Amino acid sequence: EAGVAQSPRYKIIEKRQSVAFWCNPISGHATLYWYQQILGQGPKLLIQFQNNGVVDDSQLPKDRFSAERLKGVDSTLKIQPAKLEDSAVYLCASSLGRVLGEKLFFGSGTQLSVL
Amino acid sequence: AQTVTQSQPEMSVQEAETVTLSCTYDTSESDYYLFWYKQPPSRQMILVIRQEAYKQQNATENRFSVNFQKAAKSFSLKISDSQLGDAAMYFCAYTEMGGSQGNLIFGKGTKLSVKP
Repeated sequence: EAGVAQSPRYKIIEKRQSVAFWCNPISGHATLYWYQQILGQGPKLLIQFQNNGVVDDSQLPKDRFSAERLKGVDSTLKIQPAKLEDSAVYLCASSLGRVLGEKLFFGSGTQLSVL
Repeated sequence: AQTVTQSQPEMSVQEAETVTLSCTYDTSESDYYLFWYKQPPSRQMILVIRQEAYKQQNATENRFSVNFQKAAKSFSLKISDSQLGDAAMYFCAYTEMGGSQGNLIFGKGTKLSVKP
């Protein structure tokens, strides 16, 4: 079974530039999550999709972050303009549905460095 | 707000020995799940074990087991017969019924080193 695919693996940009990350979840998984993991901390949920609809984006900094999941499959997370504090690993995860306690499958993330 | 605390930034264990990682959490909910995730240098979070709050029996998965103390809000992970491949960051996580299921709240992690 193919896992959650993410690209790029690394990205270095200067502040105020824009950047986009891509995620392809496991086939058949309806729910997709984007997490932000700052160095030395655990991941924090940014946004959750159920198919192509947003379930929770309460922790997404909407003035600079945006995400979409067209056709309910792959997803793109964008930052525009980037700030120094956006340096982090961005993890994508997917699950079959939204059952409490359901296992999440994570990708290997994109490590973003903002200079 | 729900919080998850891991008080051990780093731990070390000798190969084949047993190590216990600590986790405490704060919640007013009665129905929730607790997890331990492993994050090796590849950065991919891997589920190690999970525990439903309503189940009194502690979860076990091969060499991994938990000590779930609901009243004390404690959820420790015991790794028996430690192997070199167990070296990684370990994160304790919490999620509750309602709201955004799948919104895992993570602790800051414990870095586990395994000495040969």
